[in-house]
Amino acid sequence: GQQLNQSPQSMFIQEGEDVSMNCTSSSIFNTWLWYKQDPGEGPVLLIALYKAGELTSNGRLTAQFGITRKDSFLNISASIPSDVGIYFCAGHIQGAQKLVFGQGTRLTINP
Amino acid sequence: DVKVTQSSRYLVKRTGEKVFLECVQDMDHENMFWYRQDPGLGLRLIYFSYDVKMKEKGDIPEGYSVSREKKERFSLILESASTNQTSMYLCASSFGIQKAAKNIQYFGAGTRLSVL
Repeated sequence: GQQLNQSPQSMFIQEGEDVSMNCTSSSIFNTWLWYKQDPGEGPVLLIALYKAGELTSNGRLTAQFGITRKDSFLNISASIPSDVGIYFCAGHIQGAQKLVFGQGTRLTINP
Repeated sequence: DVKVTQSSRYLVKRTGEKVFLECVQDMDHENMFWYRQDPGLGLRLIYFSYDVKMKEKGDIPEGYSVSREKKERFSLILESASTNQTSMYLCASSFGIQKAAKNIQYFGAGTRLSVL
């Protein structure tokens, strides 16, 4: 099935560093979503984006809906230990019932 | 708050057993989904349902079936469990497209299934 290209697949950083991850696709999306999955739990929505060019923040997290509608990025500033987990992007195509998910970025933080 | 509840967090079954994974949502969502999550492979859609008694195959339906007799409940069935079905299973729900919703899927906490 269709998937988004999410990168990087994993990141190992020091506490306090900034983090950036992105998703790209050959398809045009009308919605981009970013989820976080804590170890042993289900994904939880972090940020939702609905317009091309939209830039939205949620605390230390900032995400943008790409102008071409084919990409999105998520930035985390000043990382802390509780940021550890897997981050997923998801896109929605107009008229579809399903989301298309990226393969996830696993974030590990060294204290 | 939206609540998606999966009946078990952990299950251990034997090869050949019939396995039922249950999921209940309390937001009157039309759509419900079953995913499988394996390391390095992300979330793969097994089946989804957009209405009671309706179902559609996802990307990896082989070896699975589903049942949706009531709007709030979506069951995943492994007719004869095999070791390669050992995985994390995630249920999700969302509004249907007719409600012009924001396309957000809400997930349960997951069921980690081990087939021995």
